[in-house]
Amino acid sequence: DAEITQSPRHKITETGRQVTLACHQTWNHNNMFWYRQDLGHGLRLIHYSYGVQDTNKGEVSDGYSVSRSNTEDLPLTLESAASSQTSVYFCASSDRDTRTDTQYFGPGTRLTVL
Amino acid sequence: GDSVTQMEGPVTLSEEACLTINCTYTATGYPSLFWYVQYPGEGLQLLLKATKADDKGSNKGFEATYRKETTSFHLEKGSVQVSDSAVYFCALSDRGYNKLIFGAGTRLAVHP
Repeated sequence: DAEITQSPRHKITETGRQVTLACHQTWNHNNMFWYRQDLGHGLRLIHYSYGVQDTNKGEVSDGYSVSRSNTEDLPLTLESAASSQTSVYFCASSDRDTRTDTQYFGPGTRLTVL
Repeated sequence: GDSVTQMEGPVTLSEEACLTINCTYTATGYPSLFWYVQYPGEGLQLLLKATKADDKGSNKGFEATYRKETTSFHLEKGSVQVSDSAVYFCALSDRGYNKLIFGAGTRLAVHP
């Protein structure tokens, strides 16, 4: 069965370190998204991609970067981790038309920055 | 900009009670509307959706009707179960954006 996976599921790091969160989907979807989930804010979009070599900034992109070298993967990098980036991170994917097509979410990565 | 407003939780109900979670939206154009559910320790999964005015989405006993005149998409269920305990997110996706905008989420706790 097609799926979307994230790794690691839990990560503890220190302020200033570079961290990369992996996201891999086997749906062969064009669109991929990274969100962070914080209490009281719902899910906020960090970065998204509509296809290979395409990346776009979301509403909370400062301090994060992504790259899309193939269809299946969209890794999220925190260039220099800050305590404000402690959060739960979700990756999602969808087919071409997000207006009507379902976004499929991964299980999440809980990141703690000390 | 576009936005989604949900009723604040937590909502606490007894098993077999009726549920309504309010959701209103602000958007230019004609958005598609979604309800996602997040069970404890899991990612979000689509519960139901509606892509045009007056459409009714339904799944697992939950329903929501796309009301353009009141810009609302309230989630309803006639008889909740303990297994419905989760966080529910209302979301919209507008033409040209090709991405989702979420509400803050409403936590539902159902007790036996």
